[in-house]
Amino acid sequence: DAGVTQSPTHLIKTRGQHVTLRCSPISGHKSVSWYQQVLGQGPQFIFQYYEKEERGRGNFPDRFSARQFPNYSSELNVNALLLGDSALYLCASSRRGNQGPTDGYTFGSGTRLTVV
Amino acid sequence: KQEVTQIPAALSVPEGENLVLNCSFTDSAIYNLQWFRQDPGKGLTSLLLIQSSQREQTSGRLNASLDKSSGRSTLYIAASQPGDSATYLCAVRAGGGTSYGKLTFGQGTILTVHP
Repeated sequence: DAGVTQSPTHLIKTRGQHVTLRCSPISGHKSVSWYQQVLGQGPQFIFQYYEKEERGRGNFPDRFSARQFPNYSSELNVNALLLGDSALYLCASSRRGNQGPTDGYTFGSGTRLTVV
Repeated sequence: KQEVTQIPAALSVPEGENLVLNCSFTDSAIYNLQWFRQDPGKGLTSLLLIQSSQREQTSGRLNASLDKSSGRSTLYIAASQPGDSATYLCAVRAGGGTSYGKLTFGQGTILTVHP
């Protein structure tokens, strides 16, 4: 079975540009979450989507947005890129949005974004 | 606001040693706690998931315990091997409300096992 897949794996952008990151969850998983991991730190929560609706939002500016499609894949968009947006962006999927008693999160390998 | 702390920040041990990684959290109202492993530049690999009603979980040489009331978890690694070298992260899953489904991570423990 395919795990959580993210694309692209690496990306270099210039300050002020826009970027779109993509994530496909594990088959049967309806919840997708996005995390930002700056070098040397633990991941920080950005968004959670379940059944195409936003269910949670972290402390990130409005330049960050996301959506979930009918096939449960998801996109993370970041506008007006800043140098500080350079990070590993991780996508995680789980079976249900409320992560029932037996559910854990499965993470993808991430997209390494470098803003120059 | 939930805060997760991991101690130590880094650990270097000789091969074969048993070791313990510590994780503490400030809000005991959690649904579960998950331990992950991260290799340099890679994504997260789930190691163990402990539900809030459980005390411990085991997988091979790994054993994780949870004391929700005191806000602590430990990850015990038996007979460490060089291949165990990685960053170990613990994450707690929030309860309901606006934090629904959110994972809060510690900063990780960087483990080096030398031959």
